[in-house]
Amino acid sequence: DIQMTQSPSSMSASLGDTVTITCLASQDIGNYLSWYQQKPGKSPKLMIYGATNLEDGVPSRFSGSRSGSDYSLTINSLGYDDEGIYHCHQYYEYPLTFGSGTKLEIK
Amino acid sequence: QVQLKESGPGLVQPSETLSLTCTVSGFSLTSYGVNWVRQPPGKGLEWMGTIWNDGSTDYNSALKSRLSISRDTSKSQVFLKMNSLQTEDTAIYLCARGYPLFDYWGQGVMVTVSS
Repeated sequence: DIQMTQSPSSMSASLGDTVTITCLASQDIGNYLSWYQQKPGKSPKLMIYGATNLEDGVPSRFSGSRSGSDYSLTINSLGYDDEGIYHCHQYYEYPLTFGSGTKLEIK
Repeated sequence: QVQLKESGPGLVQPSETLSLTCTVSGFSLTSYGVNWVRQPPGKGLEWMGTIWNDGSTDYNSALKSRLSISRDTSKSQVFLKMNSLQTEDTAIYLCARGYPLFDYWGQGVMVTVSS
């Protein structure tokens, strides 16, 4: 199975900050990487797919990038609404696997 | 609008079988696949399996020997059955539409495995 090593596991940032969350794939997954946002007590929401493509309706403050096997989610101009857990997800091959999640707290 | 809602028992005894239902609305099971995903407390998401729009299924190999996913298209329901439950199966169980990207999710149901 493809392992997705996500970091950090948790982070705290202030309003207006820029934060970056990363996932390292254990083998090549091309651009078959998505990011989900999960707000407290809610189900996950698709934010980015194909490593860099924004899902419809997602603010442009969110962006995804790739460098080799490293994938990043960057959030600019943090707001309280961005608080939650962020999950990376590879869909290159079976079984689909997720990172361990990053809990983002807004101070 | 598209909705998915999980239902089932909140408490299951060790070694017993878990049965969950995902009731969908706003789309047809013959047009979209539905997945089961679980989230143990404090841990990441785990894809369990998919029932495709044609009724075929795929399972996570780690769970395949214990897991069965089926559906009733007339009732717009997808079923999960998993046997030989252990405490490590304690998790929130969610159903989600689509493959390999999940565009709509249910709210999830918390299942605790305990005697």
